[in-house]
Amino acid sequence: DAGVIQSPRHEVTEMGQEVTLRCKPISGHNSLFWYRQTMMRGLELLIYFNNNVPIDDSGMPEDRFSAKMPNASFSTLKIQPSEPRDSAVYFCASTPAGTGNEQFFGPGTRLTVL
Amino acid sequence: AQSVTQLGSHVSVSEGALVLLRCNYSSSVPPYLFWYVQYPNQGLQLLLKYTSAATLVKGINGFEAEFKKSETSFHLTKPSAHMSDAAEYFCALDRGSTLGRLYFGRGTQLTVWP
Repeated sequence: DAGVIQSPRHEVTEMGQEVTLRCKPISGHNSLFWYRQTMMRGLELLIYFNNNVPIDDSGMPEDRFSAKMPNASFSTLKIQPSEPRDSAVYFCASTPAGTGNEQFFGPGTRLTVL
Repeated sequence: AQSVTQLGSHVSVSEGALVLLRCNYSSSVPPYLFWYVQYPNQGLQLLLKYTSAATLVKGINGFEAEFKKSETSFHLTKPSAHMSDAAEYFCALDRGSTLGRLYFGRGTQLTVWP
């Protein structure tokens, strides 16, 4: 299994541009999570899906952030418009259904907004 | 309310010394507990997990953790630190959600001196 796949691995953009981060979870996993990691705030849960349905988006910082999961094998996190304070590493993780299961993390996307 | 508290955001030890990273949790139901490790520029990887089978859990790279219900703790230890153990360590709690959500601590950065 290839694990959780994220693209791009690095993204540099200018303030005001739209940014789209992509994630392919592990096949058969029912839940998918988007996290943001910064030095100041640590690891934050932004949103998570179960069976492609958003369950909790209370961690999404502003309306500029949106996430979708059109099917079981693909999810996107979009920032529009981007701001310098959005610079962070964004992780996607997936897990199978049930309690006590670990989350499997992707390698992350390092976003820099100039 | 904080679900997972990691005491000490930074821990430094000498190579060969004991490693002790502290984690306390809060849960109204029997918890599942995890320790993850994050090496520089990588995603989080599972180190070990407690799922009520045994209170002393052994993980990869010589790490182990002991679940102590009376102290609501799940501290991570390794008898002898190696330079390659330098990383950030996260304690996480599953409150029994069937959707796989984990509550992460703020992380502890471990530095190993030669």
